Amino acid sequence: NAGVMQNPRHLVRRRGQEARLRCSPMKGHSHVYWYRQLPEEGLKFMVYLQKENIIDESGMPKERFSAEFPKEGPSILRIQQVVRGDSAAYFCASSSTGGSGANVLTFGAGSRLTVL
Amino acid sequence: GENVEQHPSTLSVQEGDSAVIKCTYSDSASNYFPWYKQELGKRPQLIIDIRSNVGEKKDQRIAVTLNKTAKHFSLHITETQPEDSAVYFCAASINTDKLIFGTGTRLQVFP
Repeated sequence: NAGVMQNPRHLVRRRGQEARLRCSPMKGHSHVYWYRQLPEEGLKFMVYLQKENIIDESGMPKERFSAEFPKEGPSILRIQQVVRGDSAAYFCASSSTGGSGANVLTFGAGSRLTVL
Repeated sequence: GENVEQHPSTLSVQEGDSAVIKCTYSDSASNYFPWYKQELGKRPQLIIDIRSNVGEKKDQRIAVTLNKTAKHFSLHITETQPEDSAVYFCAASINTDKLIFGTGTRLQVFP
């Protein structure tokens, strides 16, 4: 089991460009979560998705950020027109269940976005 | 929504001493409380968790206690070792997988 796979591990973008971060959950997991971690800070919830559905996007900025988890392929976190404040580590986590209480999250290694 | 506060933000202990990190949560409906350890530049890794139907859980040198009435939970590490040095995060959730994290505690264990 390869665990939660994120790519790219490091991404450098100039202001105004787009950033796309990908996450493949653990085998058998159908629930994906994205968290953002600013330098020297904690993990902030962004969005929770199941296949083809956004369950909770209450932590997602209203503009420039979007997420999807298609029926086939990885989950993608997309940031349009990046600004320097978007520089952070973006962690994806997955779990096999939702709402049942048996919900252990496993994290990926993160994607570190640097905006120049 | 849920809010989790964590103290202290930094903690330095001598090797062999105990370390205690405390968290409080705001939503009494929260029923799952995991602790994650994050080493520099690495992913958060689950080290122990507790559910609201128990008051204490222990795994070797690590224990977690939960006081539902006071909405407090704590991480206890005994006989600390230099490799315990990391940032520790508590979290809470309300029977969903959306974890709300505390702000983290940077633990340094000096040999």
